[in-house]
Amino acid sequence: QKEVEQNSGPLSVPEGAIASLNCTYSDRVSQSFFWYRQYSGKSPELIMSIYSNGDKEDGRFTAQLNKASQYVSLLIRDSQPSDSATYLCAVNIRNGQNFVFGPGTRLSVLP
Amino acid sequence: DGGITQSPKYLFRKEGQNVTLSCEQNLNHDAMYWYRQDPGQGLRLIYYSQIVNDFQKGDIAEGYSVSREKKESFPLTVTSAQKNPTAFYLCASSDLYEQYFGPGTRLTVT
Repeated sequence: QKEVEQNSGPLSVPEGAIASLNCTYSDRVSQSFFWYRQYSGKSPELIMSIYSNGDKEDGRFTAQLNKASQYVSLLIRDSQPSDSATYLCAVNIRNGQNFVFGPGTRLSVLP
Repeated sequence: DGGITQSPKYLFRKEGQNVTLSCEQNLNHDAMYWYRQDPGQGLRLIYYSQIVNDFQKGDIAEGYSVSREKKESFPLTVTSAQKNPTAFYLCASSDLYEQYFGPGTRLTVT
């Protein structure tokens, strides 16, 4: 079983809709969870970090963490064409400096 | 400005040549990493270093070498032993909590 799993997509949503991106992880002792956005040809950019169960909101982005279900998600409200990118989920295993990345989900927001 | 710089942005080499990719950070992070990304693929860890003068192999270290003589610098050498070196190379650094990436170097070997 892969350590961090994501649907590869592409996930297509219309402009203005809510995009929902999902990620599951296998190591129960994982402490920290991250979402990165990567535009085509560019490097990943950290957009959200979440460390405790529940929701964390930052502008149009909401990260949701459920450690019991080993599940973390990213919601993007009022999706814009500029949100079209690949979104990488990452997990910090055992609160060290060991980051494990999922394969990414490609999001396409249609005007 | 604090950040991670990688140079050059694009690099072209002939097969059989070694090439060194530069990575510098001024974030005062202890840990630094090198990843490789192929088109349409995820990130694969090449090497990482948690402290000066120490580094560990990642998942795909064969054909690569690194050094960590200074906290700020973590250069990656792609040797002629690397069978498929053409890729996008990403350097990252982290504190205990978050990891940040440099802009990347796109290496093409012909």
